[in-house]
Amino acid sequence: ETGVTQTPRHLVMGMTNKKSLKCEQHLGHNAMYWYKQSAKKPLELMFVYNFKEQTENNSVPSRFSPECPNSSHLFLHLHTLQPEDSALYLCASSQLPGEQETQYFGPGTRLLVL
Amino acid sequence: DQQVKQNSPSLSVQEGRISILNCDYTNSMFDYFLWYKKYPAEGPTFLISISSIKDKNEDGRFTVFLNKSAKHLSLHIVPSQPGDSAVYFCAASLGNQFYFGTGTSLTVIP
Repeated sequence: ETGVTQTPRHLVMGMTNKKSLKCEQHLGHNAMYWYKQSAKKPLELMFVYNFKEQTENNSVPSRFSPECPNSSHLFLHLHTLQPEDSALYLCASSQLPGEQETQYFGPGTRLLVL
Repeated sequence: DQQVKQNSPSLSVQEGRISILNCDYTNSMFDYFLWYKKYPAEGPTFLISISSIKDKNEDGRFTVFLNKSAKHLSLHIVPSQPGDSAVYFCAASLGNQFYFGTGTSLTVIP
């Protein structure tokens, strides 16, 4: 399998549930990212991991908890979410963290919180 | 406040004609700009990029123009094809941070 994959592609959860989103990149990249895309809003960067270390957390609520066990895998653990967290969650990776790098995206997980 | 703006939510163009998608940004420190294309139910795919030291980059039917003084970026597609129908996002980066526009939905009419 090539590129960036994400599972599940669709997820419906209640506000008291705990779930995890998974991202895997097969590109040999060293940086991975989580983005949120809400309707009619630009992509919002949530977290950045460089060489498995978190380097950016853009004021994301603690109900979103990322985990990066190695350079190829990235998780987003979800608990006690709110309906306004319903969105498309996109994972991306790039070769190196930093300047003038192109990010490659996965297909996204469409999340609905009831 | 949005640092990257795409003011046209949609654009329709006849097949074979030129499509011009526009993007404006506010931060003069951005040093790298990218265009992504997104089909429904798929993630954005990289299309073309340009460094801030250039004003034009061409790749086949796609050309990106950068006007730093106006803080304006545009993507030209010529000739447009029905398969180009998608949502196009522009993005600007500064270090590890990427900022995206809200997208322009392009429809190429056969």
